[in-house]
Amino acid sequence: NAGVTQTPKFRVLKTGQSMTLLCAQDMNHEYMYWYRQDPGMGLRLIHYSVGEGTTAKGEVPDGYNVSRLKKQNFLLGLESAAPSQTSVYFCASSYDGQSSYNEQFFGPGTRLTVL
Amino acid sequence: GQSLEQPSEVTAVEGAIVQINCTYQTSGFYGLSWYQQHDGGAPTFLSYNALDGLEETGRFSSFLSRSDSYGYLLLQELQMKDSASYFCAVSTRNDYKLSFGAGTTVTVRA
Repeated sequence: NAGVTQTPKFRVLKTGQSMTLLCAQDMNHEYMYWYRQDPGMGLRLIHYSVGEGTTAKGEVPDGYNVSRLKKQNFLLGLESAAPSQTSVYFCASSYDGQSSYNEQFFGPGTRLTVL
Repeated sequence: GQSLEQPSEVTAVEGAIVQINCTYQTSGFYGLSWYQQHDGGAPTFLSYNALDGLEETGRFSSFLSRSDSYGYLLLQELQMKDSASYFCAVSTRNDYKLSFGAGTTVTVRA
């Protein structure tokens, strides 16, 4: 099992450009999450999904959109990137119907720089 | 909303014991989790407490006191590989998500 994978690993954007980050999991997890991590601020939840076709806002959703068209994939979109969105983005998944949703499995992260 | 407080840094020598405290303020508290993150890596799950008391997993233990809105992670027999950031996170009833603290950087010295 690959676990949780993220594409791309690194990206540099110019202000105003758009991009999509892809997260995939092969653990048949129901719940998926997108976080951003900035120095000294821990992990902040952007959006999350509790099942295929569902999405919900987290703590810092502005400037981002998400889609969960397939159970195994969770996409994070930046429509018009801003320097404030420079961060490390982590995707996570949890809950296969038996395990606790508190045990989240994280991908390796995407390091995004917006110039 | 939720707020969590944990120390920003802790330094200790190999073989020592370190306790990382976490206090939280939240409505509808459900449980407290702990995650470890090595520099440049992904966070990994360490433990989860929903009930008062101590949970032991090898050299690591986690404690929760719901009445005091307080928990801690205890790292025993510290090893160099334990140098990492440690995050506490709270979950609340029926919303399937976690709120993380800012993290504690643990540095283990020889």
